[in-house]
Amino acid sequence: TQLLEQSPQFLSIQEGENLTVYCNSSSVFSSLQWYRQEPGEGPVLLVTVVTGGEVKKLKRLTFQFGDARKDSSLHITAAQPGDTGLYLCADGGSNYKLTFGKGTLLTVNP
Amino acid sequence: NAGVTQTPKFQVLKTGQSMTLQCAQDMNHEYMSWYRQDPGMGLRLIHYSVGAGITDQGEVPNGYNVSRSTTEDFPLRLLSAAPSQTSVYFCASRNAWEIDTIYFGEGSWLTVV
Repeated sequence: TQLLEQSPQFLSIQEGENLTVYCNSSSVFSSLQWYRQEPGEGPVLLVTVVTGGEVKKLKRLTFQFGDARKDSSLHITAAQPGDTGLYLCADGGSNYKLTFGKGTLLTVNP
Repeated sequence: NAGVTQTPKFQVLKTGQSMTLQCAQDMNHEYMSWYRQDPGMGLRLIHYSVGAGITDQGEVPNGYNVSRSTTEDFPLRLLSAAPSQTSVYFCASRNAWEIDTIYFGEGSWLTVV
């Protein structure tokens, strides 16, 4: 059974700071997805990475996929209160059976 | 602009009662699935479907039934609710060929007393 470990579990920072959260897998990812979930809402897909070493950018968010496809990081530049939420990584597997990590709960204070 | 719609949003059940959580999508997606989210546990797959008439079990299927009679609907049935089924339930859908087309509903908060 694949295990996804996300770190840190909790992160509280001030507006304008940079941050990085991590996702590590016990086995090679089929594909890796990052989601953001706001309180009272369902997860929203941010990005999908497939190729080892891949880097994708979404405005102030930078996603990196490890060369060995067993780890990933999400870096946020100049965090804003609107970035507050639970960040989840998931292995796409067969793509209709997602395996999720437990998430990093980010709070950005104004 | 409905996307994935879940009902009810909130529900309180007594132990032993049965109920159905409804999920409907208007995007003609082939794949639909149900997850539960518990504190400290992340999201875990309960059941999934790759098309009308086809369903299969996920990681935590015990105590739940599903059916998929149409492309649009994928209801989740709790046959005899237990306190361990207190959770937040999310339905998701995506199409069969585009990996980035997954959408989640807003969730159903279920409490079993």
